Amino acid sequence: AQTVTQSQPEMSVQEAETVTLSCTYDTSESDYYLFWYKQPPSRQMILVIRQEAYKQQNATENRFSVNFQKAAKSFSLKISDSQLGDAAMYFCAYRSAGFGNEKLTFGTGTRLTIIP
Amino acid sequence: DAGVTQSPTHLIKTRGQQVTLRCSPKSGHDTVSWYQQALGQGPQFIFQYYEEEERQRGNFPDRFSGHQFPNYSSELNVNALLLGDSALYLCASSLDRDQGPFYNEQFFGPGTRLTVL
Repeated sequence: AQTVTQSQPEMSVQEAETVTLSCTYDTSESDYYLFWYKQPPSRQMILVIRQEAYKQQNATENRFSVNFQKAAKSFSLKISDSQLGDAAMYFCAYRSAGFGNEKLTFGTGTRLTIIP
Repeated sequence: DAGVTQSPTHLIKTRGQQVTLRCSPKSGHDTVSWYQQALGQGPQFIFQYYEEEERQRGNFPDRFSGHQFPNYSSELNVNALLLGDSALYLCASSLDRDQGPFYNEQFFGPGTRLTVL
């Protein structure tokens, strides 16, 4: 079974600064997807960024980028120019690429606080 | 374009009762997944429905059951409620990959907060 570990329960960053959230995972599969989701107080889970395991290039979405280290099974999220609206719980998630196996396996989350 | 909707928003039940939660998928989606998120934890996969059948199931007891209707909406039923069933229940919808792009992103609803007393 796959597992996802987020070792930072809480993180804080000054507005406009950069912060990195850590995530490690364990799997025996070679093809899979990795995600970072944001869950603000409104509770709705929002996809921030995704990475396909077969792609060597790290994904980037505006101020959000990842550092994907497949051999180390590490998938960190970097948020640049942090904004007050980035404050939320952030969850790292894993999904197999196999057809019919679409469940998302989540980590326990990191609460990100933005300091004005 | 309506996103994923869930009802009710909040629900309070007592131990031993039964509860039904409802989910309407995003327009154009045909697959619904349910997750349980206990306080301070990440969501845990309960099951997924596609073509009105349970396609995949997580490690949840048979007290948790579901249904998908021809219009793709879905229900989650929990029988014989326990205190430990108190959680946020999230519904996510997607488009089966055979019908769309190779990657079928799951879009989440705002959840139903269930409290069992």
